[in-house]
Amino acid sequence: EPEVTQTPSHQVTQMGQEVILRCVPISNHLYFYWYRQILGQKVEFLVSFYNNEISEKSEIFDDQFSVERPDGSNFTLKIRSTKLEDSAMYFCASLGLAFYNEQFFGPGTRLTVL
Amino acid sequence: SQQGEEDPQALSIQEGENATMNCSYKTSINNLQWYRQNSGRGLVHLILIRSNEREKHSGRLRVTLDTSKKSSSLLITASRAADTASYFCATPPAGGTSYGKLTFGQGTILTVHP
Repeated sequence: EPEVTQTPSHQVTQMGQEVILRCVPISNHLYFYWYRQILGQKVEFLVSFYNNEISEKSEIFDDQFSVERPDGSNFTLKIRSTKLEDSAMYFCASLGLAFYNEQFFGPGTRLTVL
Repeated sequence: SQQGEEDPQALSIQEGENATMNCSYKTSINNLQWYRQNSGRGLVHLILIRSNEREKHSGRLRVTLDTSKKSSSLLITASRAADTASYFCATPPAGGTSYGKLTFGQGTILTVHP
C-alpha cells in the first residue's frame, strides 16, 4: 500500500540553525501539506501546496518557513533560523484526486530545538 | 472558538467495553473525518462521513453526524488494548474545496486496559 514517508524521524538542532524536513508524498498525488503538533497540543495546519505553488498558509507559516518541491518526488519544509518554539512533530500529508479529501499523513519528524 | 472539539479529553476503559468519543464543531462542513494517533506516531485516517450522511460503519467503528447540532461521535465497539491511542476529529474548510486544510480538534486520549 502506498504511503507518505518522512525523513529524518528525529532532528535535533541548535537555535538559529536552518533545518530541512523532507517528505516523499504518494506518487500521483497532487496536493501536499505540512502540519505540526507541539507536544500535548492539537495538530495545526502550516501550509498547502499545489501546482508548484503555495495555495494556503497559516499565521504560523511566516518568513522563516518555506516549502519546495525540488523534483517530482520530494516535498520539503525549510525553517531558516529555528527557535525554541519550533520544537514539535511535523507531519507531511498528501492528497490525490481519487480520494475525497482523505489526506494521507506521514509518520512525522520530531524536531527538537535546543 | 475552535473548530472540532472532542470530549472527553481522556477515556479509560477495560478491554471488551465500548468507547464513545464526541466532537463538536462551529461552522458548516461538507465532511468530517476521524483520525487515530498512536503515541508519538503519525496520523491514521479512520473514517470520513459526509454532511449528507447520518451514520457510517467501518469494522468496529461507528460514526454518527448530526449537522443540526454540529456534532459527531465515534464509537469503538468491543475495544482492544491495541485501540489505545489519541483520536481526533478533523474538518475541511466550510463550503470550500475538497482539498483544503484540515482543522483538528484537541483529541481524546483513549486507554484500553487488558
